[in-house]
Amino acid sequence: KQEVTQIPAALSVPEGENLVLNCSFTDSAIYNLQWFRQDPGKGLTSLLLIQSSQREQTSGRLNASLDKSSGRSTLYIAASQPGDSATYLCARSGGSNYKLTFGKGTLLTVNP
Amino acid sequence: NAGVTQTPKFQVLKTGQSMTLQCAQDMNHEYMSWYRQDPGMGLRLIHYSVGAGITDQGEVPNGYNVSRSTTEDFPLRLLSAAPSQTSVYFCASSSERTSIYNSPLHFGNGTRLTVT
Repeated sequence: KQEVTQIPAALSVPEGENLVLNCSFTDSAIYNLQWFRQDPGKGLTSLLLIQSSQREQTSGRLNASLDKSSGRSTLYIAASQPGDSATYLCARSGGSNYKLTFGKGTLLTVNP
Repeated sequence: NAGVTQTPKFQVLKTGQSMTLQCAQDMNHEYMSWYRQDPGMGLRLIHYSVGAGITDQGEVPNGYNVSRSTTEDFPLRLLSAAPSQTSVYFCASSSERTSIYNSPLHFGNGTRLTVT
């Protein structure tokens, strides 16, 4: 069974800190790895998508990396801000049924 | 830009009642899907569609029906609601028919359903 694990489940940091969120997955035969952000009471917003042939993607203060051989992805957030507070989820796609397998997320709180 | 629109935002049903959760997208996306999100369980795929007239089951399809008569709409029907279907339901779409492997998923804001 394909599984996605996110550690830690919750993280609290002071404003301005650089931080790393971790995502690990079983089965290295993935097609892509996506990172999402979810604000309370809202849907998910796609942040970054890394295709299996890529090693990383960057968008502004966000950088996501992918290491298929170790089954790991990291989301790096530089110079964190209170507005970054949200739940961050990673999801892997693979197989033939168009299915994304989601992790349970990391709840990030950035304190001013 | 409307994106993915879900209605209603909230719904309370009694056990045994039926209802339809609506989902519409205005991005001409071929791929559409329904997820449910439960505490401690994460997001799980219920049904998906890769184009008008084509639907398939996801991970947890029992108790739910879908149809896709147009590119824009992908309603989710609960035939006989059960307390176990209390959840937050999300509709999501993606631009590529052949895969969700290369294009990000766009999510609606969800429908919070309570079955008593």
